[in-house]
Amino acid sequence: DTGVSQNPRHKITKRGQNVTFRCDPISEHNRLYWYRQTLGQGPEFLTYFQNEAQLEKSRLLSDRFSAERPKGSFSTLEIQRTEQGDSAMYLCASSLGSGSDTQYFGPGTRLTVL
Amino acid sequence: AQSVTQPDIHITVSEGASLELRCNYSYGATPYLFWYVQSPGQGLQLLLKYFSGDTLVQGIKGFEAEFKRSQSSFNLRKPSVHWSDAAEYFCAVGAKLNSGGYQKVTFGIGTKLQVIP
Repeated sequence: DTGVSQNPRHKITKRGQNVTFRCDPISEHNRLYWYRQTLGQGPEFLTYFQNEAQLEKSRLLSDRFSAERPKGSFSTLEIQRTEQGDSAMYLCASSLGSGSDTQYFGPGTRLTVL
Repeated sequence: AQSVTQPDIHITVSEGASLELRCNYSYGATPYLFWYVQSPGQGLQLLLKYFSGDTLVQGIKGFEAEFKRSQSSFNLRKPSVHWSDAAEYFCAVGAKLNSGGYQKVTFGIGTKLQVIP
């Protein structure tokens, strides 16, 4: 068990470009979550998967954002036509999906949009 | 909808002194409560959690927190702070599902702890 991993750790892009982030959850965790954290704020919930099904999406997730978890294992978060306001730390978390269901977080991907 | 208030954005304590970080939550039912710590450039690490039972919960690194339903609070405490405790601390509340477990976690704005020698 190596914990939740996220790639890349840092991404710098120009406004208008598309970016994709990957999250590998702890093995056997069937729930996966994406959060966004801007400077000076706590993480904000974006979306949540139970296995491959996306069960909840925040209103923060505009049409330019899409997340997938095709085989119920790793997940990707894509942002199309990036804007400067998308600059943030994108955090992924996973949980077992039963019992106390604690969420364990990855190190995050820091996105800078120029 | 649930919410979390951390009234202290920044706290400074001397090494060896006691620490209490305040957290108040708003949620219509019995909440799941968490404290996470985030060091610069690092992800969130779970310090402790409350789901049910004993209202005083022990966590890692010598931290503890007490759930007080009447005050809607879940304050984090440590009797003697170490320089390595300097970090940002987030209180969070999870929405409980009827099927068990929880789904969405709402975080507070965080309290940045500075430790002076």
